[in-house]
Amino acid sequence: GAGVSQSPSNKVTEKGKDVELRCDPISGHTALYWYRQSLGQGLEFLIYFQGNSAPDKSGLPSDRFSAERTGGSVSTLTIQRTQQEDSAVYLCASSLGGTSGSYEQYFGPGTRLTVT
Amino acid sequence: KNQVEQSPQSLIILEGKNCTLQCNYTVSPFSNLRWYKQDTGRGPVSLTIMTFSENTKSNGRYTATLDADTKQSSLHITASQLSDSASYICVVSPGGGYNKLIFGAGTRLAVHP
Repeated sequence: GAGVSQSPSNKVTEKGKDVELRCDPISGHTALYWYRQSLGQGLEFLIYFQGNSAPDKSGLPSDRFSAERTGGSVSTLTIQRTQQEDSAVYLCASSLGGTSGSYEQYFGPGTRLTVT
Repeated sequence: KNQVEQSPQSLIILEGKNCTLQCNYTVSPFSNLRWYKQDTGRGPVSLTIMTFSENTKSNGRYTATLDADTKQSSLHITASQLSDSASYICVVSPGGGYNKLIFGAGTRLAVHP
């Protein structure tokens, strides 16, 4: 079946502009994650959605970052008033869910964001 | 602080050779440890996942080991191929019903002909 897809694959924006990144998880996966990967750094957790529960937003670096997941499927990560330090690859992953931490996470190809 | 440290940062080997990548972690409590392969421009793909009770797990030419007492893991690649060129990421899942993964920075492996 289809894997996790993300769009756009690349995004170049000017400092101060807002951007929206999209993630389509694997059908039937109830858990969805957003991560940020900066050059030479490990993946940094941003936000976690699980079913109809309130999302875990503890990883969002500032209030310029927000995310929503509509209908328990597609998710959008929004960055307002982008800054140069926001330049990174944003990865989305989905899993069958649960809180045991043992479910396999399947990653999308990422969106490379460049803020000029 | 929960951390995952990987070594070496980068590695170059010749095609057909073996190599071993290291991972040390200080995550506690501990649920499981995973190794991912990330090709350039792609998302990570799972290679192995081990719970604290497992010492070794293989996936083709990839063999992961885990010593939960010393909090060390290794990934051994046998008879390397050019397609093994990628970043290899060690990831630890804390226990306690917590589903956030903690990622190492990865080892960048280059296999040369």
